[in-house]
This record gives sequence, structure tokens and C-alpha cells, in this order.
Amino acid sequence: EVQLVESGGGLVQPGGSLRLSCAASGFTFSSYWMSWVRQAPGKGLEWVANIKQDGSEKYYVDSVKGRFTISRDNAKNSLYLQMNSLRAEDTAVYYCARDRYSGCYDYWGQGTLVTVSS
Amino acid sequence: DIQMTQSPSSLSASVGDRVTITCQASQDISNYLNWYQQKPGKAPKLLIYDASNLETGVPSRFSGSGSGTDFTFTISSLQPEDIATYYCQQYDNLPFTFGQGTKLEIK
Repeated sequence: EVQLVESGGGLVQPGGSLRLSCAASGFTFSSYWMSWVRQAPGKGLEWVANIKQDGSEKYYVDSVKGRFTISRDNAKNSLYLQMNSLRAEDTAVYYCARDRYSGCYDYWGQGTLVTVSS
Repeated sequence: DIQMTQSPSSLSASVGDRVTITCQASQDISNYLNWYQQKPGKAPKLLIYDASNLETGVPSRFSGSGSGTDFTFTISSLQPEDIATYYCQQYDNLPFTFGQGTKLEIK
């Protein structure tokens, strides 16, 4: 059974940093693109970043470029999102998602809430 | 960025009704479109991929059609468990973008 379990969310002050993790199981992690998608409270879905199977390609939505870094460790079946210089508008539930192929999210984690507030 | 416009934003229908949601892309995206269902407090679930392909395990009352800029999502006979918000999403060009969502309620 495919499982994606996010962790690392919490309350952080504006300008602070947080690292999200996503532990994957039930499939060959190294064979898939992976993505982070977020959802602000009461709002719609927003793609944040994705990463190729071997980590050689990474893409970001403009609003997080230069502040967020996506990475993966295929030996640990884990996906990460390092978030720096956090802003109030980054407050959201962050989902880890498996890309069946780039842009088609066939499995999602349960999400982890990031709240940026003083 | 490609803008995805869904309509309506909300919809109230009765059990057994046929429900249709539309999604319009700001430019031609061929068939690079997916539909997701999200129930309150839960992660989204893939229902339709490549505009018209039903995801494994999804009931056949769900369907999708369209190509280019205009797409349609249909529930042929609404069931109580279909109460959710539905999103379209394009993956033709980065950044991959979602529609604003359609909240479906039971009348």
C-alpha cells in the first residue's frame, strides 16, 4: 500500500525557517517525480515545487523561489522541503504528493500545517 | 502562467441529479488536465486524468471530457458521498495550476 506521511509542520515566526519531511513507503520511491502542494486555510490548491527521480531537476512556483528548497533522499525514501524566510502568506497545509508522471498526483499524504505568525 | 477557471464556484443538487462542472484554460493545454475530489479535512483524491481517463477504483458515475481549452466533469447520478470540493488542474506547463474549486452540496 502506498503511504506518504508528512511531518515537520508547526508555528513559526515571520522570517523563520522550517523543514518539512515526507516519508514514503509501498512503492519504489526512486522511480517517481515527487511534489509539494499547499492549501491556505479555506482556499484552493497551489503547486509549490517538484523534483525529478534522481534530484537532477527541481522546479518552484515563483512565490517561493529563492526561499524554499525541495530535496530527496532515495536511500531513505524521503522527500523534504526546506522553507526559509517564511511569510504570513506561506501559512497552509502542505501536502506531499507522488507524481504518476510529472503533474499527475495519484497519491497524497495527509498534510502538515505550517502557520507563520508572530 | 495558465489560468484555470472553474464554474460554478458552488453547486447545490439533489441525490440522483446529473451534475456538471466546467473548467476553462487560458490557453490550449491539449488533454493535460486532471480532476480531483477533496472532502473536508482530507487530502485531494485523483478521479480523472488526461481529461477523460477514470482513475482505478473510482466509480463509473464520474466522467470527464474535453480538450484544448474547454473541459467538463460530470457526475451522472449524484450520491450523498460525493459531497466535496472538486478541482481541475493543468499540467501542460509549469507552474501546474488548479482551478479555484467547485463546492458541491446536497439540496
